[in-house]
Amino acid sequence: GAGVSQSPSNKVTEKGKDVELRCDPISGHTALYWYRQSLGQGLEFLIYFQGNSAPDKSGLPSDRFSAERTGGSVSTLTIQRTQQEDSAVYLCASSLTRNEETQYFGPGTRLLVL
Amino acid sequence: DQQVKQNSPSLSVQEGRISILNCDYTNSMFDYFLWYKKYPAEGPTFLISISSIKDKNEDGRFTVFLNKSAKHLSLHIVPSQPGDSAVYFCAASEYGQNFVFGPGTRLSVLP
Repeated sequence: GAGVSQSPSNKVTEKGKDVELRCDPISGHTALYWYRQSLGQGLEFLIYFQGNSAPDKSGLPSDRFSAERTGGSVSTLTIQRTQQEDSAVYLCASSLTRNEETQYFGPGTRLLVL
Repeated sequence: DQQVKQNSPSLSVQEGRISILNCDYTNSMFDYFLWYKKYPAEGPTFLISISSIKDKNEDGRFTVFLNKSAKHLSLHIVPSQPGDSAVYFCAASEYGQNFVFGPGTRLSVLP
């Protein structure tokens, strides 16, 4: 079956521009996570959605980062006024519920801010 | 089609014994592998990694073994402790890019 998909797979942007990253979770999965992996570093939690509940935004590094999840399915991560340190791979994962700890990861979006 | 597989969704081990978590991959271009540990309601944290030029990497109680011909790696935890109970994710990449994660294995260490 279809897994988690993310688009675009690669994004190059200029410093100061806004970018939108998209995640399509597995159909029926109510929990959705965004992570960031910078070069040489581990996985950094950004934000978590569970159904229609208010998202857990505790991992967002600054107010330039925001995310939405429309209709409990597709999610968009927006980075405003991008900085070079935002360059990383942004990974999305989904799971059936929050208590279902097996997470299925998408292929990631590689963001490069010049 | 999953490029990184962790065929055991869960594993239970007695405290003090060895835990062995397995991971298989299909892409022969993968050359860098990582293990992450995840506690409930937290994001995954990096545990240990291995490059394809090595077949073993050890860090304290944690050892990762890589068998390139079999496209298989394993994480050994010795001795297992109750605090090791978590979900463990295997991840693989080419040249440190395009990380692909497995679905995870839940380890329960019983006291």
